[in-house]
Formats: sequence, C-alpha cells, structure tokens
Amino acid sequence: EIVLTQFPGTLSLSPGDRATLSCRASQSISNNFLAWYQQRPGQAPRLLIYGASSRAPGIPDTFSGSGSGTDFSLTIKRLDPEDFAVYLCQQYGSSPRTFGQGTKVEIK
Amino acid sequence: QLQLRQSGPRLVKPSETLSLTCIVTGGSINSYYWSWIRQPPGKPLEWIGYIYYNGSTTYGPSLKSRVTMSVDTSENQVSLKLSSVTAADTAVYYCARDCFFSVARQSYSCFGLDVWGQGTTVTVSS
Repeated sequence: EIVLTQFPGTLSLSPGDRATLSCRASQSISNNFLAWYQQRPGQAPRLLIYGASSRAPGIPDTFSGSGSGTDFSLTIKRLDPEDFAVYLCQQYGSSPRTFGQGTKVEIK
Repeated sequence: QLQLRQSGPRLVKPSETLSLTCIVTGGSINSYYWSWIRQPPGKPLEWIGYIYYNGSTTYGPSLKSRVTMSVDTSENQVSLKLSSVTAADTAVYYCARDCFFSVARQSYSCFGLDVWGQGTTVTVSS
C-alpha cells in the first residue's frame, strides 16, 4: 500500500498569498496518477488536479499541480477567501487507492 | 450533468449491516468503476473499494472481510454493504466515479475521482 504524507499539516496565510502544498509517496506512483482535492467543511471533496498536473474541468488556473514519481506539489497562485479549506492528495495508480491526511489552509 | 445521489439509513445498530445506495443520474453507469470512500470523524479519507459496472470488485485491505459491493445497471445504481459494524465504522460515506475502461480498446482512462455523491453520515449506536 502506498502511503501519502502531506506537509505542512497547516498553512496559515492571508488572502492574495501564494500557497505551496506538498505530498510525498512512500513509493513511486504509477503513471503519475496523483490527484488533488479541495474539501470545505461539511462538503464532499472536489477534484482540482488529476494526473499530477492536469486541471479538472472548471478549475481556475490559479491552481496548478506538479511533480512526478514520489514528490508532488499543489500551488495556489493567489488565495481567494473561498480557497481556505483542506487539501488532500490521492494516488490512483495502484490498489488500494490511498489518500494523504490533508493540509489545512487557514486564514492568518 | 452527471450527479450521484446517495441514500440509506443514518443510524445503524452495532453488529448489524450498514447498507447504502448511490444512484447515478445524468449519465450511464456503464464502462466506469465506482468507488466508495469513508471519512471517520477527525480522520483522513479511507478508500473502501470499487466496483466495475459488470460487477467485478476490488476491496481495500482493512474492510475486505466485511464489505460487499453490488451494481444494478437497470436502476443505474451501485450499493455498499458493511457487515458487523461497530462504533469505529461511524463515518461520512461517499460514492464517487472512478476510472473508465474501454472494452473495445482494452484501455483505462483515469482522471481521479471526478464526481462525488453528497455523502451520508452514518452513526453506529444502539
């Protein structure tokens, strides 16, 4: 089973700041099948990025993903108030699919 | 627009079976894998397993002995059963669309879990 470790656990930033979140896998992820999700309180996760760097339909270009193999990152270019949420990475290159524990982006 | 609508009891007694249904609207269940995921309070998301529209299943290791997934193509829905539940099974349960498999091309197209149900909060308590 691939273990995903996200860091930092919490990111305290201000609106307009740039956010960089990291996700490290315990082994290489097949086909770079790594996704990022945003989860707001009481809501289901929303797909942002798939295949490590492709934006899902309807996701603004302020969100970008990069990385390959075992190290991946999500960048939010300029934080809008609605971007303060929990961000999760997930690998779907092998079974079982696994999720990271999440990074909470909070208002400083 | 594809939507997933979940239904099922929100309160289940210990030792009984949790049963949830996920109805697919605005699209077909065919040729896709459908995942179930859960999130216990204060804990990370846990993938339970997935089912292909033809009924083929793959379950995650932690719940494998207690999970059964099924599909009803005529009703365009998938179902989850988790037996012998305890308080540790209290969680928000989600269904989500997973990979597409083309039989004609014998190839997968995977774009993460791109459509999610609204989630069902299930509490295990007597």
